[in-house]
Amino acid sequence: VIWMTQSPSLLSASTGDRVTISCRMSQGISSYLAWYQQKPGKAPELLIYAASTLQSGVPSRFSGSGSGTDFTLTISCLQSEDFATYYCQQYYSFPQLTFGGGTKVEIK
Amino acid sequence: QLQLQESGPGLVKPSETLSLTCTVSGGSISSSSYYWGWIRQPPGKGLEWIGSIYYSGSTYYNPSLKSRVTISVDTSKNQFSLKLSSVTAADTAVYYCARTEIAAAGTNYYYYMDVWGKGTTVTVSS
Repeated sequence: VIWMTQSPSLLSASTGDRVTISCRMSQGISSYLAWYQQKPGKAPELLIYAASTLQSGVPSRFSGSGSGTDFTLTISCLQSEDFATYYCQQYYSFPQLTFGGGTKVEIK
Repeated sequence: QLQLQESGPGLVKPSETLSLTCTVSGGSISSSSYYWGWIRQPPGKGLEWIGSIYYSGSTYYNPSLKSRVTISVDTSKNQFSLKLSSVTAADTAVYYCARTEIAAAGTNYYYYMDVWGKGTTVTVSS
C-alpha cells in the first residue's frame, strides 16, 4: 500500500499570491501522479498528470513538479476562481489508485 | 463531447445493496484506451477510489471494499454499473463515475481521470 501525505490540509491565501501544495509518498512512484481541483458541489477536474503535464485547457498559472516521493502543485498567481480543494492521486500502483487527503485553499 | 451520467436510488436502507449505473454518451465504452471507474466522497471528506473496469470486463477493486463491491459493464448499452452490498451509514456519500485515460509516453503509461460525471448522492438510512 502506498501512503500519501498531502499538506497543508488548509491554506489561507489572497488573490495574487503564489501558493504551493505538497504531496509526499511512502515510496517512490516515479512521475505517476495527477492533481485535481474540486469546487464545492462539483466533480473534481483534472489539472495535471504525469506530475508536470498540464491538462488541455488548464491555465498556465498551474504547474506541477517532482518525482519519486515528493511532489508539488504550484499556483503562480492565485485567482478568485482558484479557491477550491486540491487532491493529488497516485497511479504507480495502477489499477489500484489512491488519493491524497486534500488541500482546501480558502480566502485569507 | 464525452459525458458520463450517474443514476440510481438516492436512498438505500442499511444492510441492503446500493446499485448505481453510469451511462456514457458521446463516445464508446468499448475503446481500448480507457478504464471506467467509481469514486465516492463522504460528506465533508476526501475522495475514495472504489474500483475500475475495462471494457473487456476485467475488474479492479479497492482492497478495503473488495468483499462488498461488484462493477460490471454492458457494452451494448454503453453503461457500467456499481453494486455495493451490506451498506451502512458509512457508505453515505456522493458517488462519481469517471473515465481513466491510458496515455502512452515512450515506454511509460500514464493513467488519469479526465472525464467525470456530476455525481449522485446516496444516503444510507432506514
